[in-house]
Amino acid sequence: GESVGLHLPTLSVQEGDNSIINCAYSNSASDYFIWYKQESGKGPQFIIDIRSNMDKRQGQRVTVLLNKTVKHLSLQIAATQPGDSAVYFCAENIAPGTGRRALTFGSGTRLQVQP
Amino acid sequence: GAVVSQHPSRVICKSGTSVKIECRSLDFQATTMFWYRQFPKQSLMLMATSNEGSKATYEQGVEKDKFLINHASLTLSTLTVTSAHPEDSSFYICSARAEYEQYFGPGTRLTVT
Repeated sequence: GESVGLHLPTLSVQEGDNSIINCAYSNSASDYFIWYKQESGKGPQFIIDIRSNMDKRQGQRVTVLLNKTVKHLSLQIAATQPGDSAVYFCAENIAPGTGRRALTFGSGTRLQVQP
Repeated sequence: GAVVSQHPSRVICKSGTSVKIECRSLDFQATTMFWYRQFPKQSLMLMATSNEGSKATYEQGVEKDKFLINHASLTLSTLTVTSAHPEDSSFYICSARAEYEQYFGPGTRLTVT
């Protein structure tokens, strides 16, 4: 079935380095993508989103890139800090004619920041 | 703004009993709420979608008679796990939609002994 998946289950980076987390999606009809951060025992926390009419969006220390040609999404975190350690999920959504469905989540990447 | 709360945050129950989890949108009205389940080291899996005043729509493989969902108002949805078994132990997360945005609650950790 349709799914959103990730290339790397665990990413370990040094504090201060930049992190790149990747996500592949399979549904070409998806038009809205979100990155979430989830800390242990907590609900998902919104980081940044992007719509399919864009290929790049920047936030504070984070950038999301969307490549619709290869159905690939990435999250870049600049100057990674220990507080960035968490599991990161990409999620996708589709806007059918009758209204939006629920977000579908990818499998997640654990980011470990080494001091 | 756009805060979603869940109660309780943690619950331990005995096998065979029922547990109710509440989800509230605190500062907005949500015509649609979603319930997700997350097992350890796994992703969030959608269980059901509920619209205020109508029956919930369950995802394939989710038993509607076991996971009862009530969405009686624009700010409250409840999930009742009936006749809970140890395999129902999981992290349950609700989400409420306002316009096009979907906001998530902090989750409820259910442990069935």
